[in-house]
Amino acid sequence: DIQMTQSPSSLSASVGDRVTITCRASQTISYYLNWYQQKPGKAPKLLISTASSLQSGVPSRFSGSGSGTDFALTISSLQPEDFATYYCQHSYTTPPFTFGPGTKVDIK
Amino acid sequence: EVQLVQTGAEVKKPGESLKMSCKGSGYSFANYWIGWVRQMPGKGLEWMGIIYPGDSDTKYSPSFQGQVTISVDRSISTAYLQWSSLKASDTAMYYCARKSIGGNEFDYWGQGTLVTVSS
Repeated sequence: DIQMTQSPSSLSASVGDRVTITCRASQTISYYLNWYQQKPGKAPKLLISTASSLQSGVPSRFSGSGSGTDFALTISSLQPEDFATYYCQHSYTTPPFTFGPGTKVDIK
Repeated sequence: EVQLVQTGAEVKKPGESLKMSCKGSGYSFANYWIGWVRQMPGKGLEWMGIIYPGDSDTKYSPSFQGQVTISVDRSISTAYLQWSSLKASDTAMYYCARKSIGGNEFDYWGQGTLVTVSS
């Protein structure tokens, strides 16, 4: 199975900050990498699929990049509603399509 | 509007069985894989398995193979996750989610079912 890692595991940031979260796969997954946002007590929400495709309705301050084994989620200007936990997930070829351990973004 | 509506919270004792449901609406249920994701208290997301309602083709994560059963009743647009004998370590939130038709990501999620297993 493909293993996913994320860094950092948590970060503190201020409104307006530029924030970058990285995700690494244990083997090449081409561009088959997705990002989800989860707020406390809520179901996850798909933000980005196939590394950089922004889902409909997701603000343009979110962007994704990368291919192969290394990927990044960037929030260009952090907003109060962006404080949440972010998960990457690979979707390469065969299941299981494992998730990363998550990155918690909280208020500095 | 696409919706996935899950069973309400369950409280069970170790050794008991459980079958939870996930009812889809607002789209062609038979044509989209439905998956299940576990989230243990304070922990991350774990991909459990997926099922295709069109033909009941099912794929499990090795971590969950033999531990749970995923099934579907296409006639009522409902997917199920079941246990024959619960353990305390099954205590978690369980989400169902729809796999997108063009990829393997989950584009719509249910609200989650909290399962508490305690003697």
